[in-house]
Order: sequence, then structure tokens, then C-alpha cells
Amino acid sequence: ETGVTQTPRHLVMGMTNKKSLKCEQHLGHNAMYWYKQSAKKPLELMFVYSLEERVENNSVPSRFSPECPNSSHLFLHLHTLQPEDSALYLCASSQDLGRQGSLRGYTFGSGTRLTVV
Amino acid sequence: DAKTTQPPSMDCAEGRAANLPCNHSTISGNEYVYWYRQIHSQGPQYIIHGLKNNETNEMASLIITEDRKSSTLILPHATLRDTAVYYCIVRRETSGSRLTFGEGTQLTVNP
Repeated sequence: ETGVTQTPRHLVMGMTNKKSLKCEQHLGHNAMYWYKQSAKKPLELMFVYSLEERVENNSVPSRFSPECPNSSHLFLHLHTLQPEDSALYLCASSQDLGRQGSLRGYTFGSGTRLTVV
Repeated sequence: DAKTTQPPSMDCAEGRAANLPCNHSTISGNEYVYWYRQIHSQGPQYIIHGLKNNETNEMASLIITEDRKSSTLILPHATLRDTAVYYCIVRRETSGSRLTFGEGTQLTVNP
């Protein structure tokens, strides 16, 4: 257990479904991130939140909608996904956005394995 | 942040030291070298980081060359559980700097 918990661990959804991924951290971190990892590809940064404000959206399609209600929770709402969106979705947190104090970098959750059928 | 180059794969015998190289020839003075690893279908795990000096912790040692253009991660006694993709990342410790992953090195520890 890393301190960052993601649920569910596995999710199968149809292209017309709406589902949400949840991430929770109790490390006292102020920044949270969503990454996507497709098969045989490097991790891709999707969204960055700092103190519950979205500070980065890396050209992610609108069918992915993040939400950060407080500094401990991060959601990724999914709707009308495509089969190519099947991937491992990883949440991470850090003390802050890279200033001194985050020298140990990011803490990752175990991910949600998403399959779109 | 500076780009890194790592071999795509390496093998190591169980119980032996695993030495994973990384080139970062364009590194600048305020950039740190980080190592993470990702065991299959899990999230990446922080291993170690350094700026100039060699570093050691309970997991590994990090050797950074004097010119800082390359580094080596050393797992002193590799076990089967060390089989993973190892990522070398160069990152500034300033506001707005993100953790960006490349392809990494797939280390396979063989019995």
C-alpha cells in the first residue's frame, strides 16, 4: 500500500456507459495527477491538479472529465469512451508542484485497468 | 527537462548486481536524476534520486559521473522481484516541473 488508493482496480465498460475512477491519498500532498499507460507505451500525463485547481490539461479529449473536490480526492469521469481508451489509468500525488519539499517525487497508486468494449 | 537514453532491455542473474545505465548528456546544473521502477501492471515506485554526489539507500545505489552526463543505478543483489521496467528521469526541482516518463529499461532477473 503506497498511500495512494485507486478504485476500482479493474473496470470493463461499454462505449455508451458512464463511469468514474476514484483516487484517494492521505499523505498530506497538495498536487494530484492522472496518467494514462497504454500497452507498450510510456506513461502519458493527462491532468494536473494543485490545491484542487486544475493547472494542466494535456490535450485530453472531453470524454475524460477530471474532478478534484478536495486535496485528498481525485476523480476521472468517463463517458462515451472508445476501445482505444483501454489502458491502465494511474493516479499520483506529490507534496507540491515540484518546489523544494517534493524531492522524493511522486507517489503512485496501483492503477485502474480499464477495458472499453 | 533534459532527455534521457536507456537501453530497452537487460538481463541479470539472481543474486548478482544489476547495473542500469542512463545517458543524460544535456542535463543542466539544477536538474536532478531520478529513478523509478514499474513492476508489471502496478504504479511506478520511487527508488532514488541525486544531483551530483553518489547516493545510496535501502533499495539501490546511484552513481553519477563527474560531468553529470550519465548515471548508473545499481541493485547490489538482484532478486526475481526486481524484474520491472526502470525509468531514469531528469527533472528540475522548480515549480511547474512535471515527472515525464520515457521508455525505460526492462530488467529481467533470471533464476
